[in-house]
Amino acid sequence: QVQLQESGPGLVKPSETLSLTCTVSGDPVSTTSYYWTWVRQSPGKGLEWIGSIYHSGYTNSHPSLKSRVSMSVDTSKNQFSLKLTSVTAADSALYYCARGKNQLLLWLDPWGQGTLVTVSS
Amino acid sequence: QSVLTQPPSVSAAPGQKVTISCSGSNSNIGKNYVSWYQQVPGTAPKLVVYENDKRPSGIPDRFSGSKSGTSATLGISGLQTGDEADYFCGTWDSSVNFFYVFGTGTKVTVL
Repeated sequence: QVQLQESGPGLVKPSETLSLTCTVSGDPVSTTSYYWTWVRQSPGKGLEWIGSIYHSGYTNSHPSLKSRVSMSVDTSKNQFSLKLTSVTAADSALYYCARGKNQLLLWLDPWGQGTLVTVSS
Repeated sequence: QSVLTQPPSVSAAPGQKVTISCSGSNSNIGKNYVSWYQQVPGTAPKLVVYENDKRPSGIPDRFSGSKSGTSATLGISGLQTGDEADYFCGTWDSSVNFFYVFGTGTKVTVL
């Protein structure tokens, strides 16, 4: 059974960098055709795709966030990570990690339970 | 602002059927597979339909998906109280920029 678990600070100051890690169990992050993905959800709002990373290091991210997003994968720890720079209150959200099927994300399954990040001084 | 439009809410009595539409364009639904996610309040989204009309193992056949042109539809028959949740469609958008997009979300209420 594949499980994903997000971790990271729940509070980040404006203009600083948000850093989150997703630990995967039950499936190597180096598995062919899986794209490891970050999605966020602002309070009471819908889902927003942030970006995805392949074990080779290839990444793709939302055009509106591309300049502030970086992602990495650590196959030795079976983890992947997200960094979002220059955060503002608009980046406060519940952040999820998920496993995606191929580059077009034919499906996202499973999802982590999510971690709440608040941007505030 | 999402490029995939869903009705804000739908409702029906237990045992009845609801359908949720997801309207897009030729750059997203028109050329890519659609998946659907169920989000019970306070929990993470869960995949219920993928590749337009396929169900993951463990998802009952009361859930069905279809696609026609630039729109997709999720159907839930034999509605149960446990189906009360928010539902989101999702697909790849290959317009000027390449990115994944979710629908605006639909709240299903079991009366």
